[in-house]
Amino acid sequence: DGGITQSPKYLFRKEGQNVTLSCEQNLNHDAMYWYRQDPGQGLRLIYYSQIVNDFQKGDIAEGYSVSREKKESFPLTVTSAQKNPTAFYLCASKDFGQGNEKLFFGSGTQLSVL
Amino acid sequence: GENVEQHPSTLSVQEGDSAVIKCTYSDSASNYFPWYKQELGKRPQLIIDIRSNVGEKKDQRIAVTLNKTAKHFSLHITETQPEDSAVYFCAAATQGGSEKLVFGKGTKLTVNP
Repeated sequence: DGGITQSPKYLFRKEGQNVTLSCEQNLNHDAMYWYRQDPGQGLRLIYYSQIVNDFQKGDIAEGYSVSREKKESFPLTVTSAQKNPTAFYLCASKDFGQGNEKLFFGSGTQLSVL
Repeated sequence: GENVEQHPSTLSVQEGDSAVIKCTYSDSASNYFPWYKQELGKRPQLIIDIRSNVGEKKDQRIAVTLNKTAKHFSLHITETQPEDSAVYFCAAATQGGSEKLVFGKGTKLTVNP
């Protein structure tokens, strides 16, 4: 099940370090999303982008940054300002507009703090 | 903004029984309500969705009902099978708006053989 690829599968962050999670899609989707998944907390939206060179904050954007320089790529940087980064991170994409609501998820990145 | 509450957080049923998961939402402008299933170690996948102009939708053993007045919607799984065991997430969104889904916290369903 390809289409949207996240890497790496596991990532470790040292204190004070920024790390970047990769998300690439070949579905030609306009919109891309980053969600954080913690046990018992569901999926919480970090950032989303509906078009190249534009993105919006989600509900828990503090301590994270993104870029959308290419349609197929939406990397997420977890900065040192994020004090509790340990979580499972899911990237998703979909077509923009009514009738195209299905989200396609990547397989996720588990980030842990050393 | 939108807030989605989901209950129960865990649900255990015997194989062949029915399972019901309920969600409520706060924003009356929300008009799209999907359900995602996440099996252990796998990515979430859409299993069924409903729009606000419809009260019920069925797809084989799964169905979703929507009560716009009460702002709640439910997932019904009949004749449950062990492969239905997973975490189920409801969500709500406003089509034509910001295009972002707000998810519930999930329900871990266990179907015992």
